[in-house]
Amino acid sequence: ETGVTQTPRHLVMGMTNKKSLKCEQHLGHNAMYWYKQSAKKPLELMFVYNFKEQTENNSVPSRFSPECPNSSHLFLHLHTLQPEDSALYLCASSQDLREDEQYFGPGTRLTVT
Amino acid sequence: RKEVEQDPGPFNVPEGATVAFNCTYSNSASQSFFWYRQDCRKEPKLLMSVYSSGNEDGRFTAQLNRASQYISLLIRDSKLSDSATYLCVARGSSASKIIFGSGTRLSIRP
Repeated sequence: ETGVTQTPRHLVMGMTNKKSLKCEQHLGHNAMYWYKQSAKKPLELMFVYNFKEQTENNSVPSRFSPECPNSSHLFLHLHTLQPEDSALYLCASSQDLREDEQYFGPGTRLTVT
Repeated sequence: RKEVEQDPGPFNVPEGATVAFNCTYSNSASQSFFWYRQDCRKEPKLLMSVYSSGNEDGRFTAQLNRASQYISLLIRDSKLSDSATYLCVARGSSASKIIFGSGTRLSIRP
């Protein structure tokens, strides 16, 4: 399925690096989300965008910086990360914020060394 | 206390068995509830929504008990392909108030 794509699928970066994660949805949805999934922990909602506007920032450290240039694309810019930021970062989309079903991308497996 | 709590399992049951999971939520203002399925190294996918009246989709039945603040998922005649982690989700007044449980791991053996 190619409804929601994410690149890269795997990323290893040092604590001083700057990198970006990309998400693209081909479903015509208006809401997009970033989640973090760490081992043995539940998915944590990080950011929510609706019609390109950020509607939610769940106390995420500033070393994570989201960008939503249009309703189809979502980025997560990373800088000066910590080893504990290593996790699976999942992007999701839904028709809008009222729509229940979210479609997830395959995720980016991030390792911070 | 976790906002959404699930028994992590693993549940290891034989093919053809019936298995049930429960999930409790702490926020009485939660409005919508869902079960997602996540296969190993894959993304979560919606399995079914959970309605107050209960709902059934083939071999899967989901129920909601608002008074006791728990939801359940029943799988009948389990198949090998049902092996996965099942995530319980509670949602508040908007899609941005979504809380996932840690998941219950199910393993079906031949």
